[in-house]
Amino acid sequence: AQKVTQAQTEISVVEKEDVTLDCVYETRDTTYYLFWYKQPPSGELVFLIRRNSFDEQNEISGRYSWNFQKSTSSFNFTITASQVVDSAVYFCALRIQGAQKLVFGQGTRLTINP
Amino acid sequence: NAGVMQNPRHLVRRRGQEARLRCSPMKGHSHVYWYRQLPEEGLKFMVYLQKENIIDESGMPKERFSAEFPKEGPSILRIQQVVRGDSAAYFCASSPGRGSIWTGELFFGEGSRLTVL
Repeated sequence: AQKVTQAQTEISVVEKEDVTLDCVYETRDTTYYLFWYKQPPSGELVFLIRRNSFDEQNEISGRYSWNFQKSTSSFNFTITASQVVDSAVYFCALRIQGAQKLVFGQGTRLTINP
Repeated sequence: NAGVMQNPRHLVRRRGQEARLRCSPMKGHSHVYWYRQLPEEGLKFMVYLQKENIIDESGMPKERFSAEFPKEGPSILRIQQVVRGDSAAYFCASSPGRGSIWTGELFFGEGSRLTVL
């Protein structure tokens, strides 16, 4: 069975600080996909990134970066120079090859204070 | 708006009533998923459907819950005889499925928030 763990339930930082959201996953499959979604206060889910298990390159998109390490089964998400608009719940998710559904972590509620 | 459309956005029911939640997938998508988000929790998979077929309902409660995705019209998640524990946000997502150019992510609607009094 697959499992995604986001150990940080809530994080609160002051604007402009860097913050890292942790994600640890479990699967016996060798081919899988990892995702991050953002859920702002309005409630919708916004896709941020997908990474497949064969691509361990880190990715940077503006102030967002992702660190994928198969050795530790982790897919951590860092926001640099955080802004109030980054306040949201962030979900990490896993999908194995051949399956259609995503398995989500519990989410991390990030609050950026001005 | 070509995104996933869910309605109603908010629904209030009394215990014992029925709740019907509707989802229209993105244009060109033939696969629909329903997830439930209980207060302060993550999203839990409920059911995965293609047109006229339930593919995976491993996350559906055994009683009172049903889902369909007819040949024509939206997907429906139906909850009979609702109880207070059914209060949650219900999210629908869609994907183009296999055989299409698909990068793997699901496209979510804005959710339907059910409150059972």
